[in-house]
Parts: sequence; C-alpha cells; structure tokens
Amino acid sequence: ETGVTQTPRHLVMGMTNKKSLKCEQHLGHNAMYWYKQSAKKPLELMFVYNFKEQTENNSVPSRFSPECPNSSHLFLHLHTLQPEDSALYLCASSQDIRRARGTGELFFGEGSRLTVL
Amino acid sequence: LAKTTQPISMDSYEGQEVNITCSHNNIATNDYITWYQQFPSQGPRFIIQGYKTKVTNEVASLFIPADRKSSTLSLPRVSLSDTAVYYCLVATRSNDYKLSFGAGTTVTVRA
Repeated sequence: ETGVTQTPRHLVMGMTNKKSLKCEQHLGHNAMYWYKQSAKKPLELMFVYNFKEQTENNSVPSRFSPECPNSSHLFLHLHTLQPEDSALYLCASSQDIRRARGTGELFFGEGSRLTVL
Repeated sequence: LAKTTQPISMDSYEGQEVNITCSHNNIATNDYITWYQQFPSQGPRFIIQGYKTKVTNEVASLFIPADRKSSTLSLPRVSLSDTAVYYCLVATRSNDYKLSFGAGTTVTVRA
C-alpha cells in the first residue's frame, strides 16, 4: 500500500459508544494531522503531531482523544460524542511540520465518515 | 496566516478551460501557493504548487504574477470528472502553526 490509509471508511455510533479511527501513512513522513469536515463547512484542523509529539490542539473537546504511537500511525479515540460531531474525519501527513508550513504540501487519506446517532 | 479569497462557485462545460483566481494580498516572501482538489466524501488531493511565474503539470497550470498577490489555477479542457471543490492554500511560516483551508471554489462541469 502507498499513501495515507484510513479505517474504517464509515462508522455509525451511539452517543455512549467508544470507538477509534485509525490512520496509517506509508510515505515516511514525520508529521500527521487530523482534520474535521462538516457538511458545507471548510476543513477544520483538529490536531497536529510532529515526530510523535503533539504540537497543536485546536481547542478540540476532550471527547476526541488523539494518539500517535509512532510517526506512521495516528488514532482518534472517540467517546461520548454528540450528533453534531457527525462529519468526515480526514487524516493527513507531511514530511514534517516545517515542510508543510513552508510549502503547504499535505497528503490526505480518503477520510472516515462518522455518524453519531 | 495569509488569507486567501476565491470565488465560491464556477460553472463550466465539457471541453472548456476553467480559470480560478485566488487573491492572497499579504503573502510573505517565503510562502508557496498550493492548490488542492476535493471530490465529495474524499480527502483533498494535491494538484499543483508554485512560487512565481508559471508552473505546469499533467493536471493543471498555475500562473503567478510578479507581485504574487494573486494566482490563477487553469484547468484545460475540463471533463465531468473535474467537478470538485478546489482550494487555494498559502502556507505561512510562523510560530503559531496553522495550515488552514478556506471554503474553496466549487467547480461544476456540465455536459
């Protein structure tokens, strides 16, 4: 496999459930990102990891908990979500933060479509 | 963070050339201009990137005037499959790192 892979592609969960989204990149990158895209809204940056260290938490509610065990994997743990959290969650990677900051070059996965009932 | 302004939507027909202009008046000296394409329910895909003058690849051309305060993405001979949202992104070096996407331009290609 190449590129950025996200699983699952679709997820339906109740407000009391606990689930996780997974992202894996095969590009040898060191920075990984979570974005949220709600219907008819711009992409919202949620979290940024650079060399496994979190460098950005864009005021995201604590019911979203990221985890980056290594530079190739990124998780988003979900618990006690609300219906308004239903959205497309996109993972992206870049060579590192500095490279993305300078050139804006991000590689995105296909996204995980989350529906909270 | 360099703010970008681009049209909300554009309509075109198959075989036509589509030009999308993005304004970025406060672009910094070291900033690059990057364009992404996003199909429904998919992640954005990098299309093209440039710093100045003209860049061309197999997908599009990017025209950047000397003052770099705007850029134009040109899609030659569009087809129905080019219907997508196109984002103009200017990456800004700053300590407060945020790489943000605006609303983009929804391009609709009709037969």
